[in-house]
Amino acid sequence: GAGVSQSPSNKVTEKGKDVELRCDPISGHTALYWYRQSLGQGLEFLIYFQGNSAPDKSGLPSDRFSAERTGGSVSTLTIQRTQQEDSAVYLCASSSLGGAQFFGPGTRLTVL
Amino acid sequence: DQQVKQNSPSLSVQEGRISILNCDYTNSMFDYFLWYKKYPAEGPTFLISISSIKDKNEDGRFTVFLNKSAKHLSLHIVPSQPGDSAVYFCAALNNAGNMLTFGGGTRLMVKP
Repeated sequence: GAGVSQSPSNKVTEKGKDVELRCDPISGHTALYWYRQSLGQGLEFLIYFQGNSAPDKSGLPSDRFSAERTGGSVSTLTIQRTQQEDSAVYLCASSSLGGAQFFGPGTRLTVL
Repeated sequence: DQQVKQNSPSLSVQEGRISILNCDYTNSMFDYFLWYKKYPAEGPTFLISISSIKDKNEDGRFTVFLNKSAKHLSLHIVPSQPGDSAVYFCAALNNAGNMLTFGGGTRLMVKP
């Protein structure tokens, strides 16, 4: 497809379980970003990948959060031992170097 | 400490009139600003951007104004249309070009 895609679109999980969220960026975009939007909050930066450089993990809220980007394309955000406060919409974006970020539709995560 | 602020959580405008959405920032190192529009259950969509070397950028019905001395930018939509009803996020790019800091958003409602 032409845009950023994310899967699943919705995920309901129980507290304490691990979840994996997937992002397929726009083909050719070298930069990939993860954000989250909690209920009533703005967009919060989580992590950034640029090419083969080490990712900028400065926005990850705890060590339960991790992300990887395989082959410079698809990225997976993993949340271990989920907590209720992790419930949010997780958004992925990609961009060309220096270009505007284009966002995917998001994954709505609900932790019961 | 919020580096990008949108002080109006909501704005209601009559169709055909001008919508003005405001955004303030505190970090003078930001040098590129973007506006995104977000519909419910969708990711943000890039609208328009402006570099800090400019004070105005226009694209159709959308114009962004930047006042660097006041650390203020605004998005003008004229004429406003009901389809413009959405949440609008202002974002600032850090000088490394790798992280967007978002404002909290303004919900625009355009009444027919």
